[in-house]
Amino acid sequence: GESVGLHLPTLSVQEGDNSIINCAYSNSASDYFIWYKQESGKGPQFIIDIRSNMDKRQGQRVTVLLNKTVKHLSLQIAATQPGDSAVYFCADLPLGRRALTFGSGTRLQVQP
Amino acid sequence: GAVVSQHPSRVICKSGTSVKIECRSLDFQATTMFWYRQFPKQSLMLMATSNEGSKATYEQGVEKDKFLINHASLTLSTLTVTSAHPEDSSFYICSASGTGGDSPLHFGNGTRLTVT
Repeated sequence: GESVGLHLPTLSVQEGDNSIINCAYSNSASDYFIWYKQESGKGPQFIIDIRSNMDKRQGQRVTVLLNKTVKHLSLQIAATQPGDSAVYFCADLPLGRRALTFGSGTRLQVQP
Repeated sequence: GAVVSQHPSRVICKSGTSVKIECRSLDFQATTMFWYRQFPKQSLMLMATSNEGSKATYEQGVEKDKFLINHASLTLSTLTVTSAHPEDSSFYICSASGTGGDSPLHFGNGTRLTVT
């Protein structure tokens, strides 16, 4: 991911709407990608992952899309709930490395 | 699921003192542990990677003599912030990777360090 921000972009959605959170990564050698959710004062919580040989993966209420051509990752959350309010980070794992590189994060605010 | 436990969750110390943070894998053997630092409203930045029984590998710009890492067993890694200063105040988070290779990394709940 590209960790460049000194501020977090915020996505505000209404409860029940779908949310789409985007992420750009910089390392074309990355072959594994993860989305994490981080609530205030807590560590990152795994949401969903995807390998570079796939372009879409679905979980429960979440879908991750990978576009390797433009090095873009997105997280779609269906029927967003207040409990989804948190900061979301994408992370990628470059080939040959074991440490994740985190993107700058997006704050999701769900309005009731 | 895999659980990583961090202790303490919060610590306040005086400038010049040292603080030790523990990271434990509770239900799996962590061959590799990672230490990250997160400043407010910023992302997680990798500080160092430690493999059980060997020296840690530090990222560029991270002082190894200031941030001492010990990974003496497959379930425990410690980070000691030596001679802490107010600028070391941050959220420190560990993660652990098991013997399954590139399985999703599991994170602890972080330690909020405040240096006064």
